[in-house]
Amino acid sequence: AQTVTQSQPEMSVQEAETVTLSCTYDTSENNYYLFWYKQPPSRQMILVIRQEAYKQQNATENRFSVNFQKAAKSFSLKISDSQLGDTAMYFCAFMKHPTNIIQGAQKLVFGQGTRLTINP
Amino acid sequence: ETGVTQTPRHLVMGMTNKKSLKCEQHLGHNAMYWYKQSAKKPLELMFVYNFKEQTENNSVPSRFSPECPNSSHLFLHLHTLQPEDSALYLCASSPGQGDPVTEAFFGQGTRLTVV
Repeated sequence: AQTVTQSQPEMSVQEAETVTLSCTYDTSENNYYLFWYKQPPSRQMILVIRQEAYKQQNATENRFSVNFQKAAKSFSLKISDSQLGDTAMYFCAFMKHPTNIIQGAQKLVFGQGTRLTINP
Repeated sequence: ETGVTQTPRHLVMGMTNKKSLKCEQHLGHNAMYWYKQSAKKPLELMFVYNFKEQTENNSVPSRFSPECPNSSHLFLHLHTLQPEDSALYLCASSPGQGDPVTEAFFGQGTRLTVV
């Protein structure tokens, strides 16, 4: 079974600073996907960024980037120029490649989450 | 708005009550999911439906009963719940076929309190 660990229950930084959230995972799979989801006070989980394990290049989405270290099974999220709207719970999630792409449901395994607060 | 709508947003029920949570998606997806989010615990996958067929039941107690009448609707029927079942219940959907990298879309959840 896969497990995902986020070792930082809470983090707090000043607006415009850069912050890095940690995530490690354990799996024997070779083909899988990793995600960072954001859950603001509205409670809706929103995808921030995703990474395919077979890609060596780290994914980037505007101010958000990841440091994917496959051998170390590490998947950290870096938020640059943090904004007040980035305040939320952040969840790291793992999904192994579906065995049947024709009918592949996505079963996500989540970490415990990191509560990030951006202070003005 | 991500196209996944859950009702009600909040629910308080007694241990002897029967209630249902509803999830509706307008994204044309074929897979739908129920997750449970408890305080200080990771989200737990409860049930998976793909093309209206249940493909996963993660050892969920029988007091939770899912129903998927079509690919757009998913229900979670609740009866004789326990206080420890109080949690945020999240519904999600995904294409269920084709490109597996497309992410799952979540609703805003139902905050359930069992008294």
